[in-house]
Amino acid sequence: GQQVMQIPQYQHVQEGEDFTTYCNSSTTLSNIQWYKQRPGGHPVFLIQLVKSGEVKKQKRLTFQFGEAKKNSSLHITATQTTDVGTYFCAGPYNQGGKLIFGQGTELSVKP
Amino acid sequence: DADVTQTPRNRITKTGKRIMLECSQTKGHDRMYWYRQDPGLGLRLIYYSFDVKDINKGEISDGYSVSRQAQAKFSLSLESAIPNQTALYFCATSGRTGGFGPQHFGDGTRLSIL
Repeated sequence: GQQVMQIPQYQHVQEGEDFTTYCNSSTTLSNIQWYKQRPGGHPVFLIQLVKSGEVKKQKRLTFQFGEAKKNSSLHITATQTTDVGTYFCAGPYNQGGKLIFGQGTELSVKP
Repeated sequence: DADVTQTPRNRITKTGKRIMLECSQTKGHDRMYWYRQDPGLGLRLIYYSFDVKDINKGEISDGYSVSRQAQAKFSLSLESAIPNQTALYFCATSGRTGGFGPQHFGDGTRLSIL
């Protein structure tokens, strides 16, 4: 069945280092969404990418959607302790109006 | 006030008990979802509803049932709870019809089954 795989599962960085998480789908996606879940919190929508090769930035966060629309990445430049949390990608499942989520990447930042 | 409210926030119960988790929303969204979250497995869809008369199974619906009492209310039931249903449960809503708008999550219900 359709799968969305995310790597790495965990990433520990020193504050100020960069961080990247990767998302790969077994099928072509019409769009991809990214969410952040702070420890003890709920997932919060960050962004949606729709176009092949699209790149969007939110301050220190850069989101990319692959040319084939089967992969995506989230890059954080110069991490801060406020970036701690789990980052999820999610793509539409069989075009049925529901999402399939990746397993998430848990980011910890050491001050 | 939260736009998506889940009750209870925490629940500890015993194997075999019937449990209902409730979700209400003030966002006016038609689409509502129930997910469970387990460490390392991300969010898995249990059931979803696109309007009051529409109920659909997700990827892990066995052992669960739902009721969409109104546009704003979507409840999840465990008819006879078992320990491997111990998890964090999230309700979410989405307002984009015919597309894939962002999902808005409640604060979650942490459920422990002994």
